[in-house]
Amino acid sequence: SQKIEQNSEALNIQEGKTATLTCNYTNYSPAYLQWYRQDPGRGPVFLLLIRENEKEKRKERLKVTFDTTLKQSLFHITASQPADSATYLCALALGQLTFGSGTQLTVLP
Amino acid sequence: NAGVTQTPKFQVLKTGQSMTLQCAQDMNHNSMYWYRQDPGMGLRLIYYSASEGTTDKGEVPNGYNVSRLNKREFSLRLESAAPSQTSVYFCASSPQVVVQANEKLFFGSGTQLSVL
Repeated sequence: SQKIEQNSEALNIQEGKTATLTCNYTNYSPAYLQWYRQDPGRGPVFLLLIRENEKEKRKERLKVTFDTTLKQSLFHITASQPADSATYLCALALGQLTFGSGTQLTVLP
Repeated sequence: NAGVTQTPKFQVLKTGQSMTLQCAQDMNHNSMYWYRQDPGMGLRLIYYSASEGTTDKGEVPNGYNVSRLNKREFSLRLESAAPSQTSVYFCASSPQVVVQANEKLFFGSGTQLSVL
């Protein structure tokens, strides 16, 4: 069965550094992959979508890569800020959207 | 523009009780979804409605029923609540069904349900 794994449940980094979050998947070749942000007590909010024929996508301080050979997506936040602290979820279109369990990011001032 | 609105925000039930979670969207989206979120397990799809008048099972449909009342509203019903249904429930919508297009989901703020 399809499995989506996101690296470590929690990631702490210092303000100003680049945060890198990992999403790995098995047994499937999705046409695209999405990243969402979720704050405590709130629903997920869409951030970025990357298609299988796109190696990299950027939006402001966010960058997503998609390596279909490694079956992996990396999500980068450059010049991180305490306001970036949240849980980040990756999602693959496997029929409907299937989500990973998320990585909780804390940016320390 | 409210987006996706869920009610109630919190609910406590006793085992065996029934209840309906309400969801409405004002974005004129065709597709709507119900997910549950449990610690360490991520979001899991319960049911979805690709368009008004249709509903389909997701990954974890047992113990739930849904109704797509009209284009705006999609409700989730627990007929006989069990402790295993303690979770946070999210409703979401998208312009078209995800499987047919590169659609993103718009989520409500969730319902925290506890079954004792």
